[in-house]
Amino acid sequence: NAGVMQNPRHLVRRRGQEARLRCSPMKGHSHVYWYRQLPEEGLKFMVYLQKENIIDESGMPKERFSAEFPKEGPSILRIQQVVRGDSAAYFCASSPGDGANYGYTFGSGTRLTVV
Amino acid sequence: GESVGLHLPTLSVQEGDNSIINCAYSNSASDYFIWYKQESGKGPQFIIDIRSNMDKRQGQRVTVLLNKTVKHLSLQIAATQPGDSAVYFCAENWDQTGANNLFFGTGTRLTVIP
Repeated sequence: NAGVMQNPRHLVRRRGQEARLRCSPMKGHSHVYWYRQLPEEGLKFMVYLQKENIIDESGMPKERFSAEFPKEGPSILRIQQVVRGDSAAYFCASSPGDGANYGYTFGSGTRLTVV
Repeated sequence: GESVGLHLPTLSVQEGDNSIINCAYSNSASDYFIWYKQESGKGPQFIIDIRSNMDKRQGQRVTVLLNKTVKHLSLQIAATQPGDSAVYFCAENWDQTGANNLFFGTGTRLTVIP
C-alpha cells in the first residue's frame, strides 16, 4: 500500500510561470489537506478537500492559488504567476475520514523554487 | 535535556540520555494533539497523539504529557538514539468548521551527539 505520493519532488519555476503540484492520497483516502512550509518554520494549513469539494480554503491566498480534488485522479494545487515568496515546501496529507478521528498521513512534499 | 520549542528551537543531547521537547499550544478549545518528527527533505512522520480527555500517553520509547491548565504539551524520548535527530513539531486540532485541519507549532531541532 503506497503512501501519499506527491510529485514532482522538486519544481523550479521562473517568476510569472504556473506551478502545478500533484498529490495522490493513500488508497481508500478521500480527504486531502495541503500545507505549506517555509524554511525553519512549521507547516501552515492551506486547504482541505474531499472528492470534488473544497471544504475549507481559509488558509489559501485569495489570488493566484487554487486547488481541486477531482472524482478521478490526484489532487492538484495550482499556483499561477508565481513569485519568489511562493518558494516553499508544499505537503499533502490524506485521511480516510476526518483527520481528528482517523489520523493524517503526509507525503514527502514538493519543494518549489521560484527563480 | 529540555527545550521550550518557541524560545529554544535547538536541543542537543547525548546518545542514551532522555530528551524532553516542550510545546505551548494556542487554543484552549483544542481537543487533539499530535507530535510529528520531520527529517531533512521528508514529510512529517506521526510519532504519538493524545486527546484532551487524557493527560499522558505512552508509546515505544516516547511519552506525551498534556497539561490543559497551562496549555502545555511535552514529548519525552527515552534513551535517545542518533536516528532520533530531526525537527519535532507539535500540532493541535480543534473542530471549528468541521475541517479538522492541524495547526503546527514552530518546531524544535533535536541533535543527538554520539
